[in-house]
Amino acid sequence: GQNIDQPTEMTATEGAIVQINCTYQTSGFNGLFWYQQHAGEAPTFLSYNVLDGLEEKGRFSSFLSRSKGYSYLLLKELQMKDSASYLCAVGHRGSTLGRLYFGRGTQLTVWP
Amino acid sequence: EAGVAQSPRYKIIEKRQSVAFWCNPISGHATLYWYQQILGQGPKLLIQFQNNGVVDDSQLPKDRFSAERLKGVDSTLKIQPAKLEDSAVYLCASSFRQTGVNTEAFFGQGTRLTVV
Repeated sequence: GQNIDQPTEMTATEGAIVQINCTYQTSGFNGLFWYQQHAGEAPTFLSYNVLDGLEEKGRFSSFLSRSKGYSYLLLKELQMKDSASYLCAVGHRGSTLGRLYFGRGTQLTVWP
Repeated sequence: EAGVAQSPRYKIIEKRQSVAFWCNPISGHATLYWYQQILGQGPKLLIQFQNNGVVDDSQLPKDRFSAERLKGVDSTLKIQPAKLEDSAVYLCASSFRQTGVNTEAFFGQGTRLTVV
């Protein structure tokens, strides 16, 4: 089976940096995805990692360590609009290729 | 580029009634997914189509849920009869090919179902 764990809630202030961690246990790993979901809205793609290391995209960066089953999403220069749920999802190969296994999401609240 | 379209946005029904949701994926996307997202949880895959064929429906409660994608484009998801625990947001997503390396899924805004 798949087991994906991330904190339920986090808070931070505008302009700060926040790191959202995700740990996973899975067989047939096929990439790790981060999605952002504002309340009542669709999840939107932020990043993916398939190899170890850091991927940077503007204010957002994502890191992966496959040997440790660990990823984090780093958000810099936080803005109020970054208040949202951040979903960690693991892609799977093999018979369930294409399926994403999602964590419960981390609700981030950014305070002024 | 138009995104994934879903309707209706909201639906309230009584238990034991039936309900249907509709999804129109992004043009050219062969793979279509239906996810169920219960409040406070991450999305859970119900069924995955590749063109008009079912690739994975292992988590679909087939005694009450059904889905089809007859012409390989639009899809409908039906629940009959609904139970209280079916209250959730039903998300449709599509991708150019099966989600994996270099291929992300694009989600619609979802249908929020409340069963009373």
